[in-house]
Amino acid sequence: QVQLQESGPGLVKPSQTLSLTCTISGGSITDGAFYWSWVRQPAGRGLEWIGRFYTSGTIDYNPSLKSRVTVSADTSKNQFSLKVTSVTAADTAVYYCARHTVTEGYPFDIWGQGTMVTVSS
Amino acid sequence: DIQMTQSPSSLSASVGDRVTITCRASQYISNYLNWYQQRPGKAPKLLIYAISTLQSGVPSRFGGSGSGTDFTLTISSLQPEDFATYYCQQSYSAPRTFGQGTRVEIK
Repeated sequence: QVQLQESGPGLVKPSQTLSLTCTISGGSITDGAFYWSWVRQPAGRGLEWIGRFYTSGTIDYNPSLKSRVTVSADTSKNQFSLKVTSVTAADTAVYYCARHTVTEGYPFDIWGQGTMVTVSS
Repeated sequence: DIQMTQSPSSLSASVGDRVTITCRASQYISNYLNWYQQRPGKAPKLLIYAISTLQSGVPSRFGGSGSGTDFTLTISSLQPEDFATYYCQQSYSAPRTFGQGTRVEIK
């Protein structure tokens, strides 16, 4: 059974870089049937897709965040990562990693538990 | 970006009620429409993908329908564990976008 686990600092200072890692267990990041995504959710608000990695090396970003976001992967560790630069209070949110299938509908079928990141001095 | 608009934003219902949530896309999205349930403090959980296909393990009281730009999530008989927030999501084009959510509360 595939599981995802986010890790990283829970507190980041304004203007600094937010860095998170998602570790995949029970499956492989190189499995061509899946993309690996980051999604965030500010408190009391909706879900925002940030970006994704595919085993071919293809990486896609939400244009609204593209200038500040980097998604990368370490296939040897079966992990993928997120960096958000120049953070502000607006980046405070629960950050989820999620698996995105290439089957019908292309849904996010497996999610990590989420990690809360607060941007504050 | 494709905008996903859900209605209502919240609703109150009783156990056993039939509940319907609608989702409208700002443009045609074929069958790339998925539904998620999110309980407080938890990650979203996939309920339905490709408009109407139930994810494995999801109770049959959940159903999805629609086409083109207009879609519906129906809970045929609301159970206590169904009180949560529901999101629709499109995967037709990038960036993937979600509806704003519909909160289902106990009446």
